[in-house]
Amino acid sequence: AQTVTQSQPEMSVQEAETVTLSCTYDTSESDYYLFWYKQPPSRQMILVIRQEAYKQQNATENRFSVNFQKAAKSFSLKISDSQLGDAAMYFCAYRSFDFGNEKLTFGTGTRLTIIP
Amino acid sequence: EAQVTQNPRYLITVTGKKLTVTCSQNMNHEYMSWYRQDPGLGLRQIYYSMNVEVTDKGDVPEGYKVSRKEKRNFPLILESPSPNQTSLYFCASSPDGAGGYNEQFFGPGTRLTVL
Repeated sequence: AQTVTQSQPEMSVQEAETVTLSCTYDTSESDYYLFWYKQPPSRQMILVIRQEAYKQQNATENRFSVNFQKAAKSFSLKISDSQLGDAAMYFCAYRSFDFGNEKLTFGTGTRLTIIP
Repeated sequence: EAQVTQNPRYLITVTGKKLTVTCSQNMNHEYMSWYRQDPGLGLRQIYYSMNVEVTDKGDVPEGYKVSRKEKRNFPLILESPSPNQTSLYFCASSPDGAGGYNEQFFGPGTRLTVL
């Protein structure tokens, strides 16, 4: 079974600075998908960014980018120019490539605080 | 507006009193799923459904039931709730069960407290 580990329960960053959230995973599969979800105080789960494991190029979405290291099974999220609205719980998630259950396996989350 | 809705959003109940949390999506999605979120554990899948009348267990199905009689609805049933089912519950849907890059759309969550 796949597992996802987020070793930083809490992080904080000064507004306008850059922060990196860590995520490692364990899998025996060669093809899979990785996601970062944001959960603000409203509790809504919002997709931030996603990465296909067979693509070597790191995904980027505006101020959000990932550092995907397949051999190391690492998938960190970098937030540039942090804004107050980025304050949230961030979850890393894994999904198998195979047809069938689209189950997301989540990490335990990192709570990000933005310091004005 | 494309969305997943859940009702109720908040519920306080007592041990053993049957309850149903409804989930509905208006995107004609085939795949639907239920997760529970607990502090320090992230989100864990309870049940999922690939299509109408096709459901299967996720990682933590004990104490829960589901049904999928219509494509848009996927209710979660707790026939005899217990305090360890106090949690935040999310319903999610995606276009189909073909894997791939499909985004899963999440409902707003239901905060359940079982006394």
